[in-house]
Amino acid sequence: EAQVTQNPRYLITVTGKKLTVTCSQNMNHEYMSWYRQDPGLGLRQIYYSMNVEVTDKGDVPEGYKVSRKEKRNFPLILESPSPNQTSLYFCASSPNPSSGGAGFGRYTDTQYFGPGTRLTVL
Amino acid sequence: AQSVTQLDSQVPVFEEAPVELRCNYSSSVSVYLFWYVQYPNQGLQLLLKYLSGSTLVKGINGFEAEFNKSQTSFHLRKPSVHISDTAEYFCAVSDRTGRRALTFGSGTRLQVQP
Repeated sequence: EAQVTQNPRYLITVTGKKLTVTCSQNMNHEYMSWYRQDPGLGLRQIYYSMNVEVTDKGDVPEGYKVSRKEKRNFPLILESPSPNQTSLYFCASSPNPSSGGAGFGRYTDTQYFGPGTRLTVL
Repeated sequence: AQSVTQLDSQVPVFEEAPVELRCNYSSSVSVYLFWYVQYPNQGLQLLLKYLSGSTLVKGINGFEAEFNKSQTSFHLRKPSVHISDTAEYFCAVSDRTGRRALTFGSGTRLQVQP
């Protein structure tokens, strides 16, 4: 089954204790992205990656790191979590426009989301 | 930069009634438009999207949306809702650049009552 998986689904931690949220997709997508969801704010992009070893900041990157060593994995790293990073986190993936071999006609721009990771930082 | 405004935070409706969830956006460039649905304790699922072409877009579960460029709106409609449609609905835009960031509205909670 084509899917995006995240682990853990729920995490309670304390301020300053480094943590990693993993994201993996089995659809051979080049593009991956992390969002956080907060009440009344919708989802905001943290980081994104166009392909292996290519990452860049989104709208709210402060306090986060990412890496993209393999195509399928895009972990989100919080080196020193703080309470304001308590949130619901979503990973997403999508094929790039240049892939698929048929140009714009195959470019759907659909992003596939994981089930979410609810993080609480005390 | 883009922004998305969902005008209603909650929409209560009776089963089998029609519903419209409103979405307005602001952008200085052309955008793609999306509606996502989030069922309780689940991730986001794409309902429908507008990339180009016909301004009336049909999606899954009987939903449709109409892109109105002059009013910068992308309202979501369903002629007859079911209890199972109870969920949170997010309107989003993408700026067509490589970053492909989706800018989301704050969401509308659809509550279908029997």
